[in-house]
Amino acid sequence: DAGVIQSPRHEVTEMGQEVTLRCKPISGHDYLFWYRQTMMRGLELLIYFNNNVPIDDSGMPEDRFSAKMPNASFSTLKIQPSEPRDSAVYFCASSRTFLYGYTFGSGTRLTVV
Amino acid sequence: AQKITQTQPGMFVQEKEAVTLDCTYDTSDPSYGLFWYKQPSSGEMIFLIYQGSYDQQNATEGRYSLNFQKARKSANLVISASQLGDSAMYFCAMRAYSGAGSYQLTFGKGTKLSVIP
Repeated sequence: DAGVIQSPRHEVTEMGQEVTLRCKPISGHDYLFWYRQTMMRGLELLIYFNNNVPIDDSGMPEDRFSAKMPNASFSTLKIQPSEPRDSAVYFCASSRTFLYGYTFGSGTRLTVV
Repeated sequence: AQKITQTQPGMFVQEKEAVTLDCTYDTSDPSYGLFWYKQPSSGEMIFLIYQGSYDQQNATEGRYSLNFQKARKSANLVISASQLGDSAMYFCAMRAYSGAGSYQLTFGKGTKLSVIP
């Protein structure tokens, strides 16, 4: 089992540019979560999907953020346009059910300059 | 609304000693789950242990145990026989119903554990 795979591991971009973060969940996991981690705010849930359908996007900070899950094996988180305050580590996690532990990817460290 | 509180920003423990990391929670959902994750300096999030709200016994996983006191709404992590590799950030988290058909996993701010040789 390859685990949750995120790409890229590191991303440095200029303010105003579009950024796309990618995630491949564990096969057979029906739930996929996007989290953002910053020193100030800790770990925040941005959005989660169940069977490819967005269930709760109340944590998405603003319209510049969007997430899609076109199929069971792929999800993207897009920021357009990016701003320096978006700099953070973005984690993707997946789970077979909502009951037990979620498996996290290695994260994408995003720096917007 | 769900709330997870970790009151210890940092902790030190001597190698081979036991340490308890505190976590309190608040939720109106009667069916919830409590988790502990470890985040080493490399950044990945590692699942350690889980406790369901209806579980009668405290969860244990190797050197990790969860001291679940439901009436006090606490879910402290106990690490026995600390090792240098235990030095990391530790996050307590709770899964509970947050309304509108949504269940959320909410994290505390974390406790940084340093194991001293």
